[in-house]
Amino acid sequence: AQSVTQPDIHITVSEGASLELRCNYSYGATPYLFWYVQSPGQGLQLLLKYFSGDTLVQGIKGFEAEFKRSQSSFNLRKPSVHWSDAAEYFCAVKRYNFNKFYFGSGTKLNVKP
Amino acid sequence: DTAVSQTPKYLVTQMGNDKSIKCEQNLGHDTMYWYKQDSKKFLKIMFSYNNKELIINETVPNRFSPKSPDKAHLNLHINSLELGDSAVYFCASSSSGGNTGELFFGEGSRLTVL
Repeated sequence: AQSVTQPDIHITVSEGASLELRCNYSYGATPYLFWYVQSPGQGLQLLLKYFSGDTLVQGIKGFEAEFKRSQSSFNLRKPSVHWSDAAEYFCAVKRYNFNKFYFGSGTKLNVKP
Repeated sequence: DTAVSQTPKYLVTQMGNDKSIKCEQNLGHDTMYWYKQDSKKFLKIMFSYNNKELIINETVPNRFSPKSPDKAHLNLHINSLELGDSAVYFCASSSSGGNTGELFFGEGSRLTVL
């Protein structure tokens, strides 16, 4: 069965510091991978997605993620965090042509001034 | 224009009552979903409809009944509400064709059962 693990429940970084949020998945075939962000009281917004091709994908708000098949990982990165990045981040996986998404448990990002 | 809109945004009700949440999407998608997000932020799929046909029905109590009158609308009716039903319910939509298929979410409906 498919599953997604986000090992970090909370992360705190200083504004301007770099960020990496971890995501590992369990899946038997090439997955479709996503990162979503949820600001307080809001719905989830897509940051970026990976389907195929270049394993380093760029997203909105300066985020990027790298797909590493050998490590079953899809970690999210940002070189310099802004206070407005404080939110909950979710990694998700789905199978091609199948509309069931599996979400990780989320990582809450706090940003120190 | 809001892509996925759900109403109401907040519901506060007593145990045993019945309530409904409505969802509409104007993205032209053919698949819609209901997700439940608990207090620990865990997102759990409840139902999914493709072109008005139920395609995903997780182990949800039968007090929850989704209805999709057309592919742009998916409503959720909950009978005999219990304390454990308190959560944020998210509607989402996606396209089953093409090479994307990502989910687009509504802003959520926070249900509080007293």
